[in-house]
Amino acid sequence: GQNIDQPTEMTATEGAIVQINCTYQTSGFNGLFWYQQHAGEAPTFLSYNVLDGLEEKGRFSSFLSRSKGYSYLLLKELQMKDSASYLCAVRDLAYGGATNKLIFGTGTLLAVQP
Amino acid sequence: GAVVSQHPSWVICKSGTSVKIECRSLDFQATTMFWYRQFPKQSLMLMATSNEGSKATYEQGVEKDKFLINHASLTLSTLTVTSAHPEDSSFYICSASNSGTYNEQFFGPGTRLTVL
Repeated sequence: GQNIDQPTEMTATEGAIVQINCTYQTSGFNGLFWYQQHAGEAPTFLSYNVLDGLEEKGRFSSFLSRSKGYSYLLLKELQMKDSASYLCAVRDLAYGGATNKLIFGTGTLLAVQP
Repeated sequence: GAVVSQHPSWVICKSGTSVKIECRSLDFQATTMFWYRQFPKQSLMLMATSNEGSKATYEQGVEKDKFLINHASLTLSTLTVTSAHPEDSSFYICSASNSGTYNEQFFGPGTRLTVL
């Protein structure tokens, strides 16, 4: 089956760097997404990795290691508005990935403190 | 681009009534839309995959007769919660995917359903 694990909660300080980890187990991996979700709002797309390595996008970077079933989202120069849930989601061809179905992790609630 | 809207944004209804939620892709055609349910402090749980012009594919444990899905056009999918009960109170979110760069899903703003 499929399994995605993330820490439930994290706390960090404004201006600092935080790394949110995600581990997954799938049969037919075909890409990993990170989404940001503020309370009561819909998720918004942050990043996508399908090959090993680091993808950088401004203050946000995402890393993938397919052999380890591991990804992380790195947030730099943290701002108060970064306080949100961060969802790791995997596309698995064995789980209807051809239709772009995603399997979501439970999400990591990040609290940025002054 | 890639904007998805939902209507209504929130609804309160009495137990036993039916509620219809609309999901529209505003600037692209979506052959596939997804319906999720999210309980407080929990992640997104996929309910069903909605395919234009065909029957929806429901996830295990989701009652297809209770959660009716219609995908009548390439820009509109509807979810009807029939005979709603308090335990159906939740945040319902739809998403649509296009043939964009990553085939990522774009999410609607969600509908907060409260059943009294």
